[in-house]
Amino acid sequence: QQPVQSPQAVILREGEDAVINCSSSKALYSVHWYRQKHGEAPVFLMILLKGGEQKGHDKISASFNEKKQQSSLYLTASQLSYSGTYFCGTPRDDKIIFGKGTRLHILP
Amino acid sequence: DAGVIQSPRHEVTEMGQEVTLRCKPISGHNSLFWYRQTMMRGLELLIYFNNNVPIDDSGMPEDRFSAKMPNASFSTLKIQPSEPRDSAVYFCASSLAGGGNTEAFFGQGTRLTVV
Repeated sequence: QQPVQSPQAVILREGEDAVINCSSSKALYSVHWYRQKHGEAPVFLMILLKGGEQKGHDKISASFNEKKQQSSLYLTASQLSYSGTYFCGTPRDDKIIFGKGTRLHILP
Repeated sequence: DAGVIQSPRHEVTEMGQEVTLRCKPISGHNSLFWYRQTMMRGLELLIYFNNNVPIDDSGMPEDRFSAKMPNASFSTLKIQPSEPRDSAVYFCASSLAGGGNTEAFFGQGTRLTVV
């Protein structure tokens, strides 16, 4: 029931782009994205509530394909501050179930 | 608001001892979640409260784990007796409403080490 994230880890140079995918074997009605820096708590990035919805702020955006039961997070022109672990979360019976996360490391 | 407040931030205890973790959710939030984070299993949901009532405790690993929410501003997670495999970071999170369609705010976590 846990959403599946890919890749598990990514290493990029500053300025490069990355895509993190999240898929579910069950119907997806909404998707959360969070980022966790080392030793800190997860912090909310965005939530997508409708199929076909796309959202973004700064150079981080996401899309949600309800039919395919998947969501993707796009990081454009990555900055050192983007380093961390990214989690997608899917609501199940009023609670949020998280994927295992994607570790993103940005090199200068 | 100060956000979700957890205490203690770090706890080191001996196997067999009782451990109590505390959480103060954001005022006005109706939903409270306890998660456990390990390298192997990621962020696991242990229990979910809505309006102070436990709704789903299917993630609680064993009877050694118990959680309470006596009022809207306080929750505890207790492990008795503790075992080394309970070592993890425990997060409390709250959200404005249930349903999973509102943002969850996480506390800073309690790093538990059982030796």
